[in-house]
Amino acid sequence: GQNIDQPTEMTATEGAIVQINCTYQTSGFNGLFWYQQHAGEAPTFLSYNVLDGLEEKGRFSSFLSRSKGYSYLLLKELQMKDSASYLCAVRAPWGDDKIIFGKGTRLHILP
Amino acid sequence: DAGITQSPRHKVTETGTPVTLRCHQTENHRYMYWYRQDPGHGLRLIHYSYGVKDTDKGEVSDGYSVSRSKTEDFLLTLESATSSQTSVYFCAISESAKGASNQPQHFGDGTRLSIL
Repeated sequence: GQNIDQPTEMTATEGAIVQINCTYQTSGFNGLFWYQQHAGEAPTFLSYNVLDGLEEKGRFSSFLSRSKGYSYLLLKELQMKDSASYLCAVRAPWGDDKIIFGKGTRLHILP
Repeated sequence: DAGITQSPRHKVTETGTPVTLRCHQTENHRYMYWYRQDPGHGLRLIHYSYGVKDTDKGEVSDGYSVSRSKTEDFLLTLESATSSQTSVYFCAISESAKGASNQPQHFGDGTRLSIL
């Protein structure tokens, strides 16, 4: 079966750094996405990893280890607007461009 | 922002009534998807389309049907709504096909559907 695990909730302080982990067990792999979703809004794309290593985009970085079935999203210099859910998603190599989503990690930022 | 419009944005209806949700895109993307999002479950795929009149089931397709008669429109129908179908429904589109493409799915603003 397909399974994506990430923590349900995390709390961090404004200005700090937080790492959100994601582990996956899927029958095949064609890349991993991170999405941000503010309460009551649509998910928005943050990053994509298909090769091992770190991808950096401003304050956000995403890491992938395919051999370990593991990824993390690193958020630096946290701001109050970063309070949101973060969704880890794996692209399947079967069928037509299907993406399997984890349940999301709700991140609370404290002042 | 990707040009995706979902309608209606909110709907309250009664058990047993038919409901149709519409997704309209202006991006001319090939792939369109319907998801539902519920607490504790995350986003789950209901149906998707890989071209005009080409559709397939996702993981939670029971009780739902879809149609795509034009590239820009993807309709989701609940033939006889049940309370278990109360949810937030998201439409998504993507440009790419198979393989290790970095093209993400882009989401509409969602439809909040309540079935009483």
